[in-house]
Amino acid sequence: AQKITQTQPGMFVQEKEAVTLDCTYDTSDPSYGLFWYKQPSSGEMIFLIYQGSYDQQNATEGRYSLNFQKARKSANLVISASQLGDSAMYFCAMREGLTNAGKSTFGDGTTLTVKP
Amino acid sequence: KAGVTQTPRYLIKTRGQQVTLSCSPISGHRSVSWYQQTPGQGLQFLFEYFSETQRNKGNFPGRFSGRQFSNSRSEMNVSTLELGDSALYLCASSLYGDTEAFFGQGTRLTVV
Repeated sequence: AQKITQTQPGMFVQEKEAVTLDCTYDTSDPSYGLFWYKQPSSGEMIFLIYQGSYDQQNATEGRYSLNFQKARKSANLVISASQLGDSAMYFCAMREGLTNAGKSTFGDGTTLTVKP
Repeated sequence: KAGVTQTPRYLIKTRGQQVTLSCSPISGHRSVSWYQQTPGQGLQFLFEYFSETQRNKGNFPGRFSGRQFSNSRSEMNVSTLELGDSALYLCASSLYGDTEAFFGQGTRLTVV
C-alpha cells in the first residue's frame, strides 16, 4: 500500500480563491511528521508547512494551513487567497518514527494551476 | 542565512562513467538527505547522513554512495552510470533530521 496518497493529479483554482489539496497517509507508527512542499518548474523543493503527529493544533504558515485529521489519516493543505505564483507541483511527505530521521516518503504530487 | 547549495546544477555524462554531486547544507544543520526524482518513480530517498555517519539508506544499488564531511557538507557518488540514472538529484538539510528539511535547487543529471 502506498504510504502517501495524493488523489488529485491536477487542480485548477481562480486567483484569490482558496484551494484544498488532498493527502492521505498510512502508518502504524504513533510518531510521525507530515510535510508539504512546493516545487515550481525550476525544480527547487520549497518547504511550506509541517505537522507533527502529537501536535494538538493544525499547523499554519501565512496563507498555508494544514487540515490534520488524525483519525482519518489525512493532512490536506489549504491555500487561501491563491496567487498566480502559487502555480506549481505540490508534494505531501511523511517521516515515520524516531529511527527514520532524515528519510521522508513523498506522494506523487498535485499540479496546481492558478487562473487569472 | 544561506540556503542549501548544490553543485553542479547540470551535468551530462556518458554511460559507464562516474559522477560526484555536492551539497552544502544550511549553516548549523547536521542532517543531509539525498533524493532522486524521476518522472516515472517520483521522489525516492537515497540516503541520509548525520555527523558524518550514514543513518538511513533507501533501496538503491551499491553504485550509489555518499559521505559527509566534518563541516556537514555531503557528496553523493554514482559509479558506472546507466541511462536510467538520469534524474534530478535533490539534497535536503535539517537540524537533526526529525523536523522540516530544506532542499537545494538540485542537480539535473543526464546520462547519454
